[in-house]
Order: sequence, then C-alpha cells, then structure tokens
Amino acid sequence: DARVTQTPRHKVTEMGQEVTMRCQPILGHNTVFWYRQTMMQGLELLAYFRNRAPLDDSGMPKDRFSAEMPDATLATLKIQPSEPRDSAVYFCASGLVQRGGLDTGELFFGEGSRLTVL
Amino acid sequence: GQNIDQPTEMTATEGAIVQINCTYQTSGFNGLFWYQQHAGEAPTFLSYNVLDGLEEKGRFSSFLSRSKGYSYLLLKELQMKDSASYLCALLPGGYQKVTFGIGTKLQVIP
Repeated sequence: DARVTQTPRHKVTEMGQEVTMRCQPILGHNTVFWYRQTMMQGLELLAYFRNRAPLDDSGMPKDRFSAEMPDATLATLKIQPSEPRDSAVYFCASGLVQRGGLDTGELFFGEGSRLTVL
Repeated sequence: GQNIDQPTEMTATEGAIVQINCTYQTSGFNGLFWYQQHAGEAPTFLSYNVLDGLEEKGRFSSFLSRSKGYSYLLLKELQMKDSASYLCALLPGGYQKVTFGIGTKLQVIP
C-alpha cells in the first residue's frame, strides 16, 4: 500500500528552537510539494520539487525556512528559529508528472505534521 | 499568479444534492482538481478536469468551464460521512505548482 510518510506526526516546541519535518514520497513519484495549513489561510504552498530540484519556494519565508531533497526518498522542511506564528499542520504531497508536462491529476498527501510553537 | 474563490461554509440535508462552486483567475491553465478533507485528516483526491464539461464518478460529479473560470462539484444522495471540507485546486501552466482554495466546509444534517 503505497503512501506518503511524514514524521513527526506531532511536535510541540518552544520559540527559537529548530524544527525539522521529514517526508518520504511514494516510490516512483517525481514531484514533491510542501504545504502549510491553518484555519485562516487554508493550504499554502511553501515549496515544490521536481526530480529533486527545487522549482519554486516563493511561498516560504526564506529567513527561517529551508526545504531540501537530499535523495529521492527524503524531503525535509526545516524551520530555524521557530516562532509561534509557525504553528500549523504541514503536509507533504507527492505526484507523478508524465512526459509532455501534464500531471496525472492526483497528489497523494501524507498525514501531516502538526506543529505547535509555544 | 492565481486566485481561487469558493464559499467558506455550506449546509445540506442527508439524501439531498449539493453544488459547491469554485471560480478562479489564472494566467495559464492545465487542470482543476477537487479534493476532500475530513477534519484532522489529509486531503484526498476526488476529481480532475482538464476539458470543459461534466465528469461523473459515482455520487460525485465535477464540471468545468474554462472560458468562465468556473467549476463546481456536485454531490448527490448526500450521506453524513460527506461532511468535510472540499478544496478546489488549480494546476496552472508552466511549472505546474498546484495551488488550493481555502476550501468549503460542508455540513450534512439529518
């Protein structure tokens, strides 16, 4: 049963601490997204990778957030230093972009990492 | 950039039909998605429209009009388990980053 795996599921930390969230995309998928979800903003796109290369991270606060994909089986999102306004659920999603540039249409989401920064 | 609008909340009765609308503005277009998200869970894929018209899948149908920048999700024979948020999402041209609307929270009542 292929699925996107995210860790940790829950994280409570204090302001100023570093937070690292990890995502294992579905094997064979070539596209990975990081989203942040809050009640007020809905799902906001933070970063987007294609074949491990970062294509767009314009939605991410660059001074404290960083996203990497060190290999095809791991994507990371790091916040340093964390702030209370970063409290949200962070979702990773993966998908397959076919030849010709058209997506298959489906993104598979992990269960999310719920972050609380005190 | 893209702009996606959908109602924030709707209420409908069990067994009825409900239509959730989504309007959008985008500089390029490769498709429109609908996702369902139950409270505390991840979004799950419902439908994907690339061309104009109606796509039917069981109790759920999705319609697209590219010229009007408009889509709707139609849910028939509503069940209590359909209470969830329904997210409209765009796949624009170019690098194809999928962006989501804020979602419509649907409450199904007996």
